[in-house]
Amino acid sequence: GQQLNQSPQSMFIQEGEDVSMNCTSSSIFNTWLWYKQDPGEGPVLLIALYKAGELTSNGRLTAQFGITRKDSFLNISASIPSDVGIYFCAGSNTGNQFYFGTGTSLTVIP
Amino acid sequence: NAGVTQTPKFQVLKTGQSMTLQCAQDMNHNSMYWYRQDPGMGLRLIYYSASEGTTDKGEVPNGYNVSRLNKREFSLRLESAAPSQTSVYFCASSERRRNTEAFFGQGTRLTVV
Repeated sequence: GQQLNQSPQSMFIQEGEDVSMNCTSSSIFNTWLWYKQDPGEGPVLLIALYKAGELTSNGRLTAQFGITRKDSFLNISASIPSDVGIYFCAGSNTGNQFYFGTGTSLTVIP
Repeated sequence: NAGVTQTPKFQVLKTGQSMTLQCAQDMNHNSMYWYRQDPGMGLRLIYYSASEGTTDKGEVPNGYNVSRLNKREFSLRLESAAPSQTSVYFCASSERRRNTEAFFGQGTRLTVV
């Protein structure tokens, strides 16, 4: 099965700092998705991207669909303690299968 | 506004026991999925169902069976549980079209001893 390469694996940052993470694939995708998972919960959709080059924001979160269609990026500005969690990227083509990255664990130090 | 509902939330099984994990969605989605999540492994697809009446194997189907009971419900069965099946199991659903998103349940934490 295909798994996406997500980096970094973990991040420890000070509250107020900006965060960047990325996801790469050997295959192209038509859709890139970013999820956040809190401890003991299921992944929650943050941002969906459908077009190469697309830049979409959701509050302090901004994600981009790479122009090669093989990568995507997520930025979080001015981090706060509730940003703590694991962030997953996912790619899809047909809508029948979603391929996930291994996650980036984010810790925000107050 | 339930979305995807999974039961049970926690389960402990003895090796060799069987059980069925239940999943229901109220979003009228055609596609449903079962994933397992293990530390450092991300989410791996066990089985999926593109529509009522159809099921297909994913990346890690061995030791599992599924049933798409109707459009709303998709169950995962462990016939003879093994310690290697200790994991967190997530059900998800999506519309069946080119640009779509998957929505997840809260998970079932299964321990096989």
